[in-house]
Amino acid sequence: DVKVTQSSRYLVKRTGEKVFLECVQDMDHENMFWYRQDPGLGLRLIYFSYDVKMKEKGDIPEGYSVSREKKERFSLILESASTNQTSMYLCASSLLLGQGAYEQYFGPGTRLTVT
Amino acid sequence: AQSVTQLGSHVSVSEGALVLLRCNYSSSVPPYLFWYVQYPNQGLQLLLKYTTGATLVKGINGFEAEFKKSETSFHLTKPSAHMSDAAEYFCAVSDLNTGNQFYFGTGTSLTVIP
Repeated sequence: DVKVTQSSRYLVKRTGEKVFLECVQDMDHENMFWYRQDPGLGLRLIYFSYDVKMKEKGDIPEGYSVSREKKERFSLILESASTNQTSMYLCASSLLLGQGAYEQYFGPGTRLTVT
Repeated sequence: AQSVTQLGSHVSVSEGALVLLRCNYSSSVPPYLFWYVQYPNQGLQLLLKYTTGATLVKGINGFEAEFKKSETSFHLTKPSAHMSDAAEYFCAVSDLNTGNQFYFGTGTSLTVIP
């Protein structure tokens, strides 16, 4: 089974702190994604990556950056956390379209609270 | 641009009744369509997907969905609701133009009344 793990289930940080959210997948997937989930807004794409050291902005990249140094690991960085970044963060991975079973596999999520 | 509309942010059904969750999409090319379920404080789990072939797709836990191109719809159904079906459900679309991105609807929260 594909497994996507996230470094923390719950995280509490202070305003202005630098925050790292880590995601690891064990299925050799090319694509990795970071989403933010808020009530009534569904999932919004922050960044995604289709290869090592490659990244693409999603719909809401402001205030975030990402790093993908190894194929299995995709990190989301909040350079200076703000209270409006309090949210559930979901990581996902998938094969490239046309390379096999095409679906996104999700981690359990990190609920981040910024105070 | 691709988009997904889920009609009804909250749906309540009685235990044993039919579950119908609606999803309409927009896509200029043949779509790939997905339904995911999310239980409280968990990630999303794939229920079923349509890529090509048969338009009626069966998934886990007794759910199924039918791709109707003429209606641009992919509604999720289950003949008889169970208490364990209470969760948040998300519809998603992807296609060759989206660069491997998925576009998700805003979700439908299903409540099952005993």
